[in-house]
Amino acid sequence: GQSLEQPSEVTAVEGAIVQINCTYQTSGFYGLSWYQQHDGGAPTFLSYNALDGLEETGRFSSFLSRSDSYGYLLLQELQMKDSASYFCAVLNDYKLSFGAGTTVTVRA
Amino acid sequence: DAMVIQNPRYQVTQFGKPVTLSCSQTLNHNVMYWYQQKSSQAPKLLFHYYDKDFNNEADTPDNFQSRRPNTSFCFLDIRSPGLGDAAMYLCATSLAGGGTGELFFGEGSRLTVL
Repeated sequence: GQSLEQPSEVTAVEGAIVQINCTYQTSGFYGLSWYQQHDGGAPTFLSYNALDGLEETGRFSSFLSRSDSYGYLLLQELQMKDSASYFCAVLNDYKLSFGAGTTVTVRA
Repeated sequence: DAMVIQNPRYQVTQFGKPVTLSCSQTLNHNVMYWYQQKSSQAPKLLFHYYDKDFNNEADTPDNFQSRRPNTSFCFLDIRSPGLGDAAMYLCATSLAGGGTGELFFGEGSRLTVL
């Protein structure tokens, strides 16, 4: 089966940097994805790491260490619109299993 | 342009009254998924189709069924909804073998059971 752990909530001010950690245990692993979900909306894809290292996409970066079964999502230059839930998800073949999600609240 | 379209966006039903939710896609993806998401929880995979092959998750209740008549459409049938089935139901698609870890989600169908 799959088991993912991430913090339940994080609060930060505009312009700050937030790091959301994710540790996982899984019977099969292709890669680690990150999704953003605003209240009442659908999850939207942010990033995917199949190999160790850092992937940067604008203000968001994602990191993976396969040997440590660990990854993180880094949100830089936080904006009010970044207030949302963020899910890490393990890809096994073509199935995605989600963590419980981290609620990020951005304050002015 | 919406690529994964779910209908209806909001569905209210009575306890025990069957419900069908629909999903259509214009991406020509071969894998379609149904997830259930309850308030403040992670999306939970119910089942998926790889082309026409149906794959049920072990803990998906028998009350939930699905049909995929063609590549573009997929339906979720809830035969006898209970109060515990109130949730957002999310349809998603992917291209198997794409290797990007990206699923394309619809806007969801929010089910209320009275």
